[in-house]
Amino acid sequence: QQQVKQSPQSLIVQKGGISIINCAYENTAFDYFPWYQQFPGKGPALLIAIRPDVSEKKEGRFTISFNKSAKQFSLHIMDSQPGDSATYFCAALIYNQGGKLIFGQGTELSVKP
Amino acid sequence: DSGVTQTPKHLITATGQRVTLRCSPRSGDLSVYWYQQSLDQGLQFLIQYYNGEERAKGNILERFSAQQFPDLHSELNLSSLELGDSALYFCASSLEDRYNEQFFGPGTRLTVL
Repeated sequence: QQQVKQSPQSLIVQKGGISIINCAYENTAFDYFPWYQQFPGKGPALLIAIRPDVSEKKEGRFTISFNKSAKQFSLHIMDSQPGDSATYFCAALIYNQGGKLIFGQGTELSVKP
Repeated sequence: DSGVTQTPKHLITATGQRVTLRCSPRSGDLSVYWYQQSLDQGLQFLIQYYNGEERAKGNILERFSAQQFPDLHSELNLSSLELGDSALYFCASSLEDRYNEQFFGPGTRLTVL
């Protein structure tokens, strides 16, 4: 019940295209859903996040879509750039249980020029 | 640069040994988190400290222990090391109640031979 399932495992997108990464969860107690971006040799960095009372959040080229009834959420990267090539992790958190982030398995995104 | 520092960057040791990983949180952050990243397990939450007290615990092995000192730096102690403990260990920090905004350090790569 504590799992977050992420797909696809890897993704290749042409420059200017849309990258879409999907995640699903079971535990309805999760109340915060962040996405992290990790470049090789670096730690994960918070990219964008959403709470379950919101269906969509947009920050620049990055958008989270959230479907509470389906227990699914996704990251859309518009106008993907080679600099977006990284590993992306979705995660979930139960806020009143402290900072235990439950991560998805990660998606390795490669944006081809 | 997240402002979280971790030392050492790399650590190579033998099975059965004990090592200590060190983390200095961002200035002003009271919460410190430890995560393990490996190819087979992904990113796994180990433990959280808040102002010196344990706040949340994940599937941390009994051979592993952590503490947070009065100056807020934290140490993760790994003992009786096994080959399977080889992984990247990340420390993250956040403001006292901002569990949702965790800033990750660059990690310590542990290799157990």
